[in-house]
Amino acid sequence: GQQLNQSPQSMFIQEGEDVSMNCTSSSIFNTWLWYKQDPGEGPVLLIALYKAGELTSNGRLTAQFGITRKDSFLNISASIPSDVGIYFCAGQLLYSGAGSYQLTFGKGTKLSVIP
Amino acid sequence: KAGVTQTPRYLIKTRGQQVTLSCSPISGHRSVSWYQQTPGQGLQFLFEYFSETQRNKGNFPGRFSGRQFSNSRSEMNVSTLELGDSALYLCASSLRANSGNTIYFGEGSWLTVV
Repeated sequence: GQQLNQSPQSMFIQEGEDVSMNCTSSSIFNTWLWYKQDPGEGPVLLIALYKAGELTSNGRLTAQFGITRKDSFLNISASIPSDVGIYFCAGQLLYSGAGSYQLTFGKGTKLSVIP
Repeated sequence: KAGVTQTPRYLIKTRGQQVTLSCSPISGHRSVSWYQQTPGQGLQFLFEYFSETQRNKGNFPGRFSGRQFSNSRSEMNVSTLELGDSALYLCASSLRANSGNTIYFGEGSWLTVV
C-alpha cells in the first residue's frame, strides 16, 4: 500500500522561529491534508490542498501541494508556544471503482517550542 | 454546528471481551471512516462507510467490524480483544465519499485492553 514519509520526526525550535516539515510519497494523491493533534485529542484539520501546485495559507501556516502530486510541505512562521503538538500529513486517494477514498497518514512531526 | 462525536471517550476491557464504539458524524455528512492510532503504527485506516455501505476496508483482521445506520451514525466493533488492540480509535466524517472533500475527526475513543 501507499506510504508517506514525513520529516523531520521531531524538532525543537525557539519561539519566533519559522518551521518547515514535509511529506513525500511513492504514490500520487488527489488531495493532501495537514492536521495537528494535541495530546489526548483527535487530529484537527489545518489546511487542505486539492490541486497540484496549489499553495494555501491559513494564518501563519502555509502548505503546498507538490507539482508531482507525490509531496507536500507545511510551513509555520513566527512560532508560538501553542504551536506545540504533533503535525500529520495525510494523502487522500480516490478509489474510483469503489467510489471510496481513504487517508494515508505520515508518522507525524512532533514540534516543541521553547519560549 | 456540532463536530464529530465519539462515545465512549475512555474504556477499559479485558482480553477476550468485545467492545462497541460509536460515532456521530457532523450533521449532513454521510461518509464515516475509522482509524486506529497507536504509538508504534501511527494512524491506520480501518474502514469507511457511505450510505450504510462499506466502501473500503484496511488491513485489519475480521475481529474488527463496523456498520453505518440510516442517520449516518456509525459503530465499530472489536471482538475477542487482544492486548495489542489498545489504541485511540478515531472516527472521521466527510460530506461525500469523494476525493477532495474535507475530512473532520472526532476526539477519539481511548481503549485499553488489560
